[in-house]
Amino acid sequence: AQKVTQAQTEISVVEKEDVTLDCVYETRDTTYYLFWYKQPPSGELVFLIRRNSFDEQNEISGRYSWNFQKSTSSFNFTITASQVVDSAVYFCALIHNTDKLIFGTGTRLQVFP
Amino acid sequence: NAGVTQTPKFQVLKTGQSMTLQCAQDMNHNSMYWYRQDPGMGLRLIYYSASEGTTDKGEVPNGYNVSRLNKREFSLRLESAAPSQTSVYFCASSPRGSNQPQHFGDGTRLSIL
Repeated sequence: AQKVTQAQTEISVVEKEDVTLDCVYETRDTTYYLFWYKQPPSGELVFLIRRNSFDEQNEISGRYSWNFQKSTSSFNFTITASQVVDSAVYFCALIHNTDKLIFGTGTRLQVFP
Repeated sequence: NAGVTQTPKFQVLKTGQSMTLQCAQDMNHNSMYWYRQDPGMGLRLIYYSASEGTTDKGEVPNGYNVSRLNKREFSLRLESAAPSQTSVYFCASSPRGSNQPQHFGDGTRLSIL
């Protein structure tokens, strides 16, 4: 069965701190894709990144970076020097050989000034 | 630059009433989806449509029906609303293929009394 676990329900940090959001997934497939989405307080879902199972290179985009490790089935997301605008719920998701996206339960990040 | 448009944005129903949530996308995507989002449970797939003329059940289809009216439109119907269907509903679309990110609408907040 496919499953995505985001064990951190809520994280609070002070601005400029670094923060890592954990994501652990389960799948029996060898080909799959992992995603991160952001849901700000306004409610919409914003696509952040896609990673396929054959590409274990870490990715950096500005203050955001992602660490994909197949050995531990993890796809963690780090925000460097967090800002108040980063406050949101972040979802990790998995898709395999169908079009069905499986979401984790989300991590609510609150960044205080 | 509309993307995925959902109507209405808010709705209050009484138990037993029926309601259709509308979704339209202008990105020429083949696949469309309906999710519900409940506190602490992330997003769960209700139904999806891989292409015009096809629909399939997701994780939580009971109490819902869908219609893929054409390539652009995918509607979700509650025939007899129940309080357990109080939720935020998201429509999404993606190009064909499981490696493509899904693009989400802004959501419909539905309350059933």
